[in-house]
Amino acid sequence: NAGVTQTPKFRVLKTGQSMTLLCAQDMNHEYMYWYRQDPGMGLRLIHYSVGEGTTAKGEVPDGYNVSRLKKQNFLLGLESAAPSQTSVYFCATHRLAGANEQFFGPGTRLTVL
Amino acid sequence: AQSVAQPEDQVNVAEGNPLTVKCTYSVSGNPYLFWYVQYPNRGLQFLLKYITGDNLVKGSYGFEAEFNKSQTSFHLKKPSALVSDSALYFCAVRDTNAGKSTFGDGTTLTVKP
Repeated sequence: NAGVTQTPKFRVLKTGQSMTLLCAQDMNHEYMYWYRQDPGMGLRLIHYSVGEGTTAKGEVPDGYNVSRLKKQNFLLGLESAAPSQTSVYFCATHRLAGANEQFFGPGTRLTVL
Repeated sequence: AQSVAQPEDQVNVAEGNPLTVKCTYSVSGNPYLFWYVQYPNRGLQFLLKYITGDNLVKGSYGFEAEFNKSQTSFHLKKPSALVSDSALYFCAVRDTNAGKSTFGDGTTLTVKP
């Protein structure tokens, strides 16, 4: 089992360009999350999904969109990248609500010039 | 609303000495509490969690955590630190009525030989 994978691992964009980050999981988990990690700021939740076809905003959703068309995939889109979106992005998943721990992907390092 | 505080950005200990990484939380209901570890250029890995019952929770790699309801704390401990324990540690809380977790800003643990 691959667990949680993220594509790509690294990316450099110019301001105004668009891109999509893919998170894929083979654990049949219901919940999926996108976080960004910046130095000294911990993990901040961008968007999340509690099941196929559903998405919701986290604490820092502006400038990002998401889609969950298939249960195993959660896509994060940047329509017009800005330097403030330079960060490391992590996807995480867990089973149904409750005390289930999250499983994290290896991260995507994005630089916006 | 729920929140987590990790009051120390950095903890330094000598190898073989006990270590403590502090975490306090705030939730409106009952909490599920988690500790995760992050090694350089990797995603977060689950260490242990508190659901209910015994206040002392044992987890991976010899780590344990003590839940204290009156002090709203969930400190991570290990009796004898190893150099390989050096990493970034995150505490997280999830209200039992909520699906999302809130993470602290992280504490960098450095264990010196």
